[in-house]
Amino acid sequence: DIQMTQSPSTLSASVGDRVTITCRASQSISSWLAWYQHKPGKAPKVLINQASGLESGVPSRFSGSGSGTEFTLTISSLQPDDFATYYCQQYYIYPLTFGGGTKVEIK
Amino acid sequence: EVQLVESGGGLVQPGGSLRLSCAASGFSFSSYVMNWVRQAPGKGLEWVSGISGSGTSTYYADSVKGRFTISRDNSKNTLDLQVNSLRVEDTAVYFCAKRQTNQPIDYWGQGTLVTVSS
Repeated sequence: DIQMTQSPSTLSASVGDRVTITCRASQSISSWLAWYQHKPGKAPKVLINQASGLESGVPSRFSGSGSGTEFTLTISSLQPDDFATYYCQQYYIYPLTFGGGTKVEIK
Repeated sequence: EVQLVESGGGLVQPGGSLRLSCAASGFSFSSYVMNWVRQAPGKGLEWVSGISGSGTSTYYADSVKGRFTISRDNSKNTLDLQVNSLRVEDTAVYFCAKRQTNQPIDYWGQGTLVTVSS
């Protein structure tokens, strides 16, 4: 199975900060990577597909990059609505696997 | 409007069984790979199982293989997950989720809580 490792697990930041989350795959997954935002009590929401494709309706302050085994999610200017937990997920091969999550907290 | 509504969760003793269901509407159900994803209390997301649009191919996480069975009824737009031999560590909110082939999950239900405890 492909292991997905996210870092950091928790991130404290202020509104307006630039935030970067890293995701590493245990083997190459090409660009078959998605990023999700998850808030307590709500369904997760896909932000990025194919490592760098912004989903329709997602603000442009979110961006993704990378391929192979190293990926990043960047929030260019953190907004109050962005405090949440973020997950990467590979959909290259079954079983699909998620990273452990990065909780973005208010500093 | 896309809707995925899970049901069937509850409290069950270790070793017990449950059948989770997901009622889908608002999209072409048979065109989508359907999945179950869970989140244990205080933990991250874990993909559990998936089934192809036709229902002929099924996939499982190692942690549930041999104990969980996924199925679908395209005539009724429903997805099921039969969960047997439940363990305390299976306690989680179980989400129904859809995706197209070679695409990420694009919609999730609100989840149903399964609690395994004596």
